[in-house]
Parts: sequence; structure tokens; C-alpha cells
Amino acid sequence: DTAVSQTPKYLVTQMGNDKSIKCEQNLGHDTMYWYKQDSKKFLKIMFSYNNKELIINETVPNRFSPKSPDKAHLNLHINSLELGDSAVYFCASSQDKGGGNQPQHFGDGTRLSIL
Amino acid sequence: GENVEQHPSTLSVQEGDSAVIKCTYSDSASNYFPWYKQELGKGPQLIIDIRSNVGEKKDQRIAVTLNKTAKHFSLHITETQPEDSAVYFCAAGGGFKTIFGAGTRLFVKA
Repeated sequence: DTAVSQTPKYLVTQMGNDKSIKCEQNLGHDTMYWYKQDSKKFLKIMFSYNNKELIINETVPNRFSPKSPDKAHLNLHINSLELGDSAVYFCASSQDKGGGNQPQHFGDGTRLSIL
Repeated sequence: GENVEQHPSTLSVQEGDSAVIKCTYSDSASNYFPWYKQELGKGPQLIIDIRSNVGEKKDQRIAVTLNKTAKHFSLHITETQPEDSAVYFCAAGGGFKTIFGAGTRLFVKA
């Protein structure tokens, strides 16, 4: 059983397109996150949601819009894709509100490549 | 703002040797310090964590130490094996946010 699953695993698309990445967790956790990992492996928090409520919204272009239909799902929609959006995007979840005090469980990532 | 510095960025050891990765955090409100291992093509996975009321914790070949006064914490891996090769991240958490270090790429040579 995959605890945090995200789809697709790979996404190759043209500059200017709009795309979505989906994430689901079956751990019963209250908080979910999106991270961006660049080519140097640096993990940068983008968003976190607690029970469908936005908790963290870092300095991210408003082309990125998260949506949480319920606490087990957190999707990421990206408009007008740019070359600099190429990265691996990780979804994660944790038990606590905000995730500063509990371990986070990560999915295996979505590798986004912009042509 | 909050910051976690991690050193070294790359570490190469011979199989059987020990590996040590060090981190420093800036936010004195941090009270939870997890360590994650990321293998190729996978997401980071928690390997050990420590809370601010504890100075040291051990789990088989891995151990973590925490010096709250100096805001330092370290990961120690003994008797390294080739399967320990991965990227390791330290992190500091408290309240609503976890800040990750930049990662250490560990190579264990057989």
C-alpha cells in the first residue's frame, strides 16, 4: 500500500501549457504539502494545507494553484509553464497541523520537464 | 529568516567507515529535528528524529546528537554499507514549518 501517491511520475510538456499533478494520502493525516526540488536537490516548501485550509503559502508565482478537495487529496495546477518550472515536485503529509513537530511522509515525486 | 545549514555537501567514505553529517539551525523556537534519506528516484524517507528535550538518540547503526545551546545537530552512521549511499537531509521544525538543509550526498565505496 502506497502511503502517499502522486501522479503522474513523469510529465514532459511544452512551455506555455497548463498541467496538473495529483496527490493522495491514505495515512489519515491532517496536513499535506507540496515541495519543489531543483537540480541541486534543494527542497523548497511551496504550500501546505491542513484539513483543506491553506496554512503555508510561500513566495510562489500565482501560476501555481493548489487545490484540496478533501484532507486526503492535494492537487497542484500550474498555468503557463516556464522553463524554470522544470524540477521534481514532491507531495508529503504529516499528522500535525503545519508539520513542524511531526515526521513528513513523502511521495516519490513528479519529474516535470519543460521543453 | 529561518535557516538550516548542512555540511558537507558531498561525503565519500570507504565501506565500514563512519560518516558524520552536521547541521546548524537559526530559529531558537525549533524543537523537532528529523533526518531524511533520499534514494535515487524516490522521495525523502524519515530515518531518525530527535526532539529538543533529548540530547542523543540511537537506532542500530545510526545516531543523532543535539546541542540546543549551540543550535547544532549531527547524524552519525557507523559501519557504512553501499546501500547507505543516498542524499541525506537534516531539518528543523517547530510550530507550522519545517526547514530543510541543502542535503549531503553520501557515497559509500565498496
